[in-house]
Amino acid sequence: GAVVSQHPSRVICKSGTSVKIECRSLDFQATTMFWYRQFPKQSLMLMATSNEGSKATYEQGVEKDKFLINHASLTLSTLTVTSAHPEDSSFYICSALARSTDTQYFGPGTRLTVL
Amino acid sequence: GNSVTQMEGPVTLSEEAFLTINCTYTATGYPSLFWYVQYPGEGLQLLLKATKADDKGSNKGFEATYRKETTSFHLEKGSVQVSDSAVYFCALRYNFNKFYFGSGTKLNVKP
Repeated sequence: GAVVSQHPSRVICKSGTSVKIECRSLDFQATTMFWYRQFPKQSLMLMATSNEGSKATYEQGVEKDKFLINHASLTLSTLTVTSAHPEDSSFYICSALARSTDTQYFGPGTRLTVL
Repeated sequence: GNSVTQMEGPVTLSEEAFLTINCTYTATGYPSLFWYVQYPGEGLQLLLKATKADDKGSNKGFEATYRKETTSFHLEKGSVQVSDSAVYFCALRYNFNKFYFGSGTKLNVKP
C-alpha cells in the first residue's frame, strides 16, 4: 500500500527555536496533504490543509505565522513550528491524499518536546 | 458542527471474544464514516469505511454499519486475536477530505 513518511520521528528543542517536520509520500503523488496535532488521550485535530503550489488553508484557531506550512512538491510538505514554546509540545501527524484511490494515508507521526 | 464520540478505553478482551467499540457522530450533511487503526509505532491505517446510510464497511473480520437514524458507526468483530491489539479511531469526512476523529480506543487482547 501507499506509504507516507515523517522526519524526524522525535525532536527535542529549546524554547524559542524553530523546528521543521517533513512529510513525504513515498510511492504516490499527493496534491493535498493534511497536518494534525494529537494531544495525549485525545483525538487528532486538523491544523491545516496543504495544497501543492499554493498557500495552506488553516483551521480556525491555528496560528499560520506560528505553524508555517510549505508544500513545494507533489511528494513533500513541511511544517515549521516557529519560536516553539512548551505548550507546542505534542504529537504531529501528517496525511497525504492519493487521488487515484480517494484515500488518505497517514504518516507515523513526530513527537515534539519543547523544553 | 461536526464531532465524533467514541467509547473510552482501554478495552481488554480475551482472544476469540466478541468486540464492539461504539462510535456516534454529529454532522451537517451526509459525511462518509471511517474506522482507522494504529498499531504501536506506526501511522494510522484505514480499516474500513462507509459512504452512505445503511452501507456496511468490512475488512479483516471487522465490520461497521452506517446508521443514520442513530448517527452511529459501531465497530464489531466476532472473534478478536492478539494481533488486533491497537488503537482504533472512528472518523467522519466532510468538506473536501477534511476529517474529524474520535479520541481513539485502545484495545488489548490477551491470549
